[in-house]
Amino acid sequence: QSALTQPPSASGSPGQSVTISCTGTSSDVGGYNYVSWYQQHPGKAPKLMIYEVSKRPSGVPDRFSGSKSGNTASLTVSGLQAEDEADYYCSSYAGSNIHYVFGTGTKVTVL
Amino acid sequence: EVQLVESGGGLVQPGGSLRLSCAASGFTFSSYSMNWVRQAPGKGLEWVSYISSSSSTIYYADSVKGRFTISRDNAKNSLYLQMNSLRDEDTAVYYCARDTPSGSYYVDYWGQGTLVTVSS
Repeated sequence: QSALTQPPSASGSPGQSVTISCTGTSSDVGGYNYVSWYQQHPGKAPKLMIYEVSKRPSGVPDRFSGSKSGNTASLTVSGLQAEDEADYYCSSYAGSNIHYVFGTGTKVTVL
Repeated sequence: EVQLVESGGGLVQPGGSLRLSCAASGFTFSSYSMNWVRQAPGKGLEWVSYISSSSSTIYYADSVKGRFTISRDNAKNSLYLQMNSLRDEDTAVYYCARDTPSGSYYVDYWGQGTLVTVSS
């Protein structure tokens, strides 16, 4: 099972928006509405930001939003803030045996 | 508060073995499926293994199948990963990760990780 494809980097100025794509196949992203997104600061554990494509856990700012079209999911961070600078990973359920596949990761820089 | 605390990492020679543990607290451990996810230095996340709440269902990534064994002890609120025939490419931070309750598929909580270094 190959990793989901994400752009290596993305950037924006404070207050701007940035969108990260996550491309898989019909066996993972396109086959299930179980795409999730994680934020990881250096040396820290990942943190759940989005689940089931577009739902936000309690405590996650509404500046974070998710969507999906076909085999590609997207995470948008609106109103960028300095603390949003981190690595972001998408993940998708990929069926019983494989269970989860993760994206290659995107480093978001706040200029 | 959900807490997952990994232990057991360290330096091991290629071909060696190591057993990782994850102590869970703040939730009813026996009701949740669990995962191990790893991250090689400077690299992305890689799902390693899954175990259902009753241990009746277990899955492994192809990269570790036949070498790693996941298990749990619900009486001790603990998750384990027995790693045998270790290779250089198994060097990574290993995270214990809780699956969301049945009906959906995603990891909702992660431990802080334990570093495994495979080197001679």
